[in-house]
Amino acid sequence: KQEVTQIPAALSVPEGENLVLNCSFTDSAIYNLQWFRQDPGKGLTSLLLIQSSQREQTSGRLNASLDKSSGRSTLYIAASQPGDSATYLCAVEGGSEKLVFGKGTKLTVNP
Amino acid sequence: DADVTQTPRNRITKTGKRIMLECSQTKGHDRMYWYRQDPGLGLRLIYYSFDVKDINKGEISDGYSVSRQAQAKFSLSLESAIPNQTALYFCATSDFTSDLDTQYFGPGTRLTVL
Repeated sequence: KQEVTQIPAALSVPEGENLVLNCSFTDSAIYNLQWFRQDPGKGLTSLLLIQSSQREQTSGRLNASLDKSSGRSTLYIAASQPGDSATYLCAVEGGSEKLVFGKGTKLTVNP
Repeated sequence: DADVTQTPRNRITKTGKRIMLECSQTKGHDRMYWYRQDPGLGLRLIYYSFDVKDINKGEISDGYSVSRQAQAKFSLSLESAIPNQTALYFCATSDFTSDLDTQYFGPGTRLTVL
């Protein structure tokens, strides 16, 4: 059974800092990995999707990498801003074509 | 207008009542999903549907049922609500062929069962 772990569970940083969020998964037979953002009491917004054949994806200040063989992904956020404060969720899709989610990292960026 | 809408947004009900949560989408996606989110447990899949005639149980389907009335509509029912079904419920959609199965989520329904 696929398990997804996100470390740390919470992170607080000053504005302007570059930061890395980590995601690990137990079964490397994945189709893709997705990173989502969730604001308090709201739905999830897809940030980046990395296919299993890709190593990384970039969108603006966000860069996500994937090392399928080691079961790891990182989400790099450059020059963090208070508006980046949210919970970031990692999810993997395997052969069953269903997403398995991690529990998230709650990020607080302090002005 | 939002691509994925959920109604109601908030609902308080009593133990034993039948509840229906509705999801509609304008993205034209074939795939639709229902999740619940609980503090400390993350998101868990309840049911999913890859097209109108294809409905499948997810990780935690006991106590729930679904109906896919059309490509754009997917409803979740709690036949007899119980307090441990208090949670935040999300509907999502995806399209495998055109969008690599990226999932798009609705705003959520906060359900409280007293």
